[in-house]
Order: sequence, then structure tokens, then C-alpha cells
Amino acid sequence: EIVLTQSPGTLSLSPGERVTLSCRASETVSSSYLAWYQQKPGQAPRLLVYGAASRATGIPDRFSGSGSGTDFTLTISRLEPEDSAVYHCQQYGSSPPTFGQGTKLEIK
Amino acid sequence: EVQLVESGGGVVRPGGSLRLSCAASGFTFDDFGMTWVRQAPGKGLEWVSTVTWNGVSTNYADSVKGRFTISRDNAKNSLYLQMSSLRAEDTAFYHCARVDGSSWNLFDYWGQGTPVTVSS
Repeated sequence: EIVLTQSPGTLSLSPGERVTLSCRASETVSSSYLAWYQQKPGQAPRLLVYGAASRATGIPDRFSGSGSGTDFTLTISRLEPEDSAVYHCQQYGSSPPTFGQGTKLEIK
Repeated sequence: EVQLVESGGGVVRPGGSLRLSCAASGFTFDDFGMTWVRQAPGKGLEWVSTVTWNGVSTNYADSVKGRFTISRDNAKNSLYLQMSSLRAEDTAFYHCARVDGSSWNLFDYWGQGTPVTVSS
């Protein structure tokens, strides 16, 4: 199965800053089938990006995904307090679908 | 609005059984496959099992194969996960999610989850 490694593990930034989260796969992700989810404490994960770069319904354009092959990123521009959450990447191009261990983002 | 609400979690002894339920609303339930994903304390998300829209085809993670059974009742807009021979490593929050129409392994809406603790 494909192993996804996310970095950094945790980070703390200020409102208005820009952040880039990384997700590296142990082998090529088929057809760039890479998704990103946001999960706030006690809430359901929310789909942000699919197909590496397509935003899901209702997701603001501050969130953007990019990458291909084994290296993918999620960029959040102009951080807002409500962006505090854990961000998970997932590959869905091969079975079983697998997730990274998550990146915890704190907004000071 | 799509809503998925899990129930049935609790504390169970090793070797015991538990049945989780997921009540779906806000969409045509029998148009979509459904899945269970779990998250152990301090760990990342782990896919558990998926079932097709009609319940005919199912798929399981190796870690639960032979012990867990996924099923659905389209008349009740409900998804289930029957868990048996439970182990300490099955302790986790269990989320149900809807399978996206474009890809079997992409999950577009999730529930908040129900906690399962396996402990003596």
C-alpha cells in the first residue's frame, strides 16, 4: 500500500500569513488522485481538495492544492483564525486508500 | 444538506462485539457507496470498509477482514458496521462517509464519528 508522509507535524502561524503543507507518497499516486481534508476538534473531516488541485464545493480560493507523482502540497493564503485544524492528505488512486498522519495547524 | 450521524459506539471487552450505525439524510442514499474510516488516538485516519450503493459488493482493510461486516439498509437510509472479535488496536473514533460519485476511494461527506474503546 502507498504510505503518505506529511510535514511538518505541527506548526503555529499568525493570521494573514501564508502556509504550505507537504504530503509525500512512497510511490507514484495514480492520476494525481490526491485529496486534502480539514478536521477541527470534535468535527467531521471536510473535503477541501481532490484530484490534487480541484477545490471541493464551497471551499474558499484561499485553499489551493498542487503537485503530481509523489509530491503534493496544500497552500493556505491569508490565514484566518478558523483555519486552526488538522489537515490530512489521502491518496485514492489505488487500493487500499491511505492517509497521511496529519499536520496540526495552530493560528496564534 | 448532507448529514451523517453515527451511533452505537461504547466500551467493550477484548473479544467482544459491537454494531455501529450511521443515519444518512440530505441526499439520495441509494445513489452512493458508503464507507467507514477510523482514527485511533494520536494516529492518522485509516480506511476500514466500503460498500456499493446496493450492498452487493464490499471491501475491507486487511486489519479487519474476517472480523468486521459492513452492510446497509436503503429503506432506512442507514449504514452499519458489525464488529466482532474486537482487539485493543480497534480502539478508535469510527466515521462513516459518503463515497464520491467520481471515484470509489474518495469520500466527500463525513460524520463526526462514534468512539469505540476495547479494554478489559
